[in-house]
Amino acid sequence: GQQLNQSPQSMFIQEGEDVSMNCTSSSIFNTWLWYKQDPGEGPVLLIALYKAGELTSNGRLTAQFGITRKDSFLNISASIPSDVGIYFCAGQKFSGGGADGLTFGKGTHLIIQP
Amino acid sequence: KAGVTQTPRYLIKTRGQQVTLSCSPISGHRSVSWYQQTPGQGLQFLFEYFSETQRNKGNFPGRFSGRQFSNSRSEMNVSTLELGDSALYLCASSLSAGGSGNTIYFGEGSWLTVV
Repeated sequence: GQQLNQSPQSMFIQEGEDVSMNCTSSSIFNTWLWYKQDPGEGPVLLIALYKAGELTSNGRLTAQFGITRKDSFLNISASIPSDVGIYFCAGQKFSGGGADGLTFGKGTHLIIQP
Repeated sequence: KAGVTQTPRYLIKTRGQQVTLSCSPISGHRSVSWYQQTPGQGLQFLFEYFSETQRNKGNFPGRFSGRQFSNSRSEMNVSTLELGDSALYLCASSLSAGGSGNTIYFGEGSWLTVV
């Protein structure tokens, strides 16, 4: 099935650095969601975006819903060791009487070097 | 408020057997959806249930099925298990069946290993 193009695939950064990752698609989405998944656990919702152009922050995290509705980015400022994990973007389309299932990116594996 | 609860957390099955996984959504949530996560294919949508009715279905064979009960709890079943069915199966719940502002929360998943 369709998947979102998420990049980068992995990032090796120093503690305290800022992080940026993004997702792009060839089609329009009505909702963009960003999740973090730790090993052996389910995805945890970080930020939800519902309107084109929307910029939303959650602590050190900031995400934006692209104006074309075909992309989204997530920034993490001043990274700390607990930011380590896999970050997923997910898009959702509305059709007919409701929403389709989520379409996910392949994930960005964030590794922080002390 | 309790989160999405999935049982069992881990299980091992033999090829050809069937398996049933259970999900209890967040209290008050009426939509439950299921996803399969594998290293090769990533996270893929299986199906969604709302008010005991299947609303959406992903691109999976008929061996994968599900149902939802009147209390919104859901089960998914995989029959005639294949080695490739080994995966983390995730349940997600949301308040409604879609629309702006509808947030989706995931459970911790059920790890299925088929041997």
